[in-house]
Amino acid sequence: DTAVSQTPKYLVTQMGNDKSIKCEQNLGHDTMYWYKQDSKKFLKIMFSYNNKELIINETVPNRFSPKSPDKAHLNLHINSLELGDSAVYFCASSRRRGGTDTQYFGPGTRLTVL
Amino acid sequence: ILNVEQSPQSLHVQEGDSTNFTCSFPSSNFYALHWYRWETAKSPEALFVMTLNGDEKKKGRISATLNTKEGYSYLYIKGSQPEDSATYLCASQTGANNLFFGTGTRLTVIP
Repeated sequence: DTAVSQTPKYLVTQMGNDKSIKCEQNLGHDTMYWYKQDSKKFLKIMFSYNNKELIINETVPNRFSPKSPDKAHLNLHINSLELGDSAVYFCASSRRRGGTDTQYFGPGTRLTVL
Repeated sequence: ILNVEQSPQSLHVQEGDSTNFTCSFPSSNFYALHWYRWETAKSPEALFVMTLNGDEKKKGRISATLNTKEGYSYLYIKGSQPEDSATYLCASQTGANNLFFGTGTRLTVIP
């Protein structure tokens, strides 16, 4: 069983659309994250979410919003997509926040905005 | 946002050679240093988490050292094998579990 899964794997959409990427973890972890891999291949933290507490990277536009229906899921909603949003988005989870726990990553979702 | 740098960006070695690469990070507010191995088309996989200055970790032929005072970590691979080909990422953690990643060192082991 995949520990951290994301759907879809690929997403191609038009500028201005609203889209969502889903993430699920079956590890029983308390904390989940979203990362964006930018054009220079950096993995940059977008959000971390723990027990209904959301910590946002202040550089993330408010068109991006994470939504967590339960502890095992953290979905990423993106409104009014822009060309610059094209990237690979990775979800991750860890047992808790604040320790040195390993983060387990999903396989990534490649978003292409046309 | 932390400035984490890795060098070299890419590396080709012959099968059987040993190799190493560097991760540099700001030493202030240091909490932990993570190493990940990332194969193409797969998810990054954790190798090590290191917290103490002088720490050394080992997993099979791969080992890592940590110098928190000067802000660097080395990853060593002994007797490289083709299956070691991957991108090796380091990430510095300052607390609250947010990781700041470098761009990775892409290793290719030539049979």
